[in-house]
Amino acid sequence: AQKVTQAQTEISVVEKEDVTLDCVYETRDTTYYLFWYKQPPSGELVFLIRRNSFDEQNEISGRYSWNFQKSTSSFNFTITASQVVDSAVYFCALRDDNNAGNMLTFGGGTRLMVKP
Amino acid sequence: KAGVTQTPRYLIKTRGQQVTLSCSPISGHRSVSWYQQTPGQGLQFLFEYFSETQRNKGNFPGRFSGRQFSNSRSEMNVSTLELGDSALYLCASSLAWTGGAAHTEAFFGQGTRLTVV
Repeated sequence: AQKVTQAQTEISVVEKEDVTLDCVYETRDTTYYLFWYKQPPSGELVFLIRRNSFDEQNEISGRYSWNFQKSTSSFNFTITASQVVDSAVYFCALRDDNNAGNMLTFGGGTRLMVKP
Repeated sequence: KAGVTQTPRYLIKTRGQQVTLSCSPISGHRSVSWYQQTPGQGLQFLFEYFSETQRNKGNFPGRFSGRQFSNSRSEMNVSTLELGDSALYLCASSLAWTGGAAHTEAFFGQGTRLTVV
């Protein structure tokens, strides 16, 4: 069975601080996909990134960076120089290739509060 | 390009009633999935439709059902509403259905917030 764990339920930082959101996953499949979504107060889940299991290359996009490590089954997300607009709930999600569908298994989410 | 549209945005229903929620996916997307989000259970998968066929189903009672039309629009129905059905219902649309390089990410609508009183 698949499982995604986000151990940090809530993080509070002051603007301009760097913050890392942790994500640990479990799956028996050799091919799978990992995602990060952001949920602002409006409710919509905003797609941030997808990472394939066969591509362990880390990625940087502006202030965002992701560290994918298969050896520890982790897919962590770092925001550099956080801003108040980054305040939201962030979800890590997993989809395997086994069920031939688009079903996502989500972690419990991490609420990030960035204070001015 | 228009995003995923869910209607209505807010809904208040009484216990025992039934409700129908609608989702219009991104143009060209043929896969539509539904999720329930509650403070206690988090985000849980309800079901997925592709080409008018239900492909996957989550662990929800039969009171929860859905369908997809030929234009890929989808509806979900909840019958005999219970207080515990109060939640944010999110719809996601995706381009691909099967695995492989054609996989794409899911794009979500703003959700329908259902309150059962």
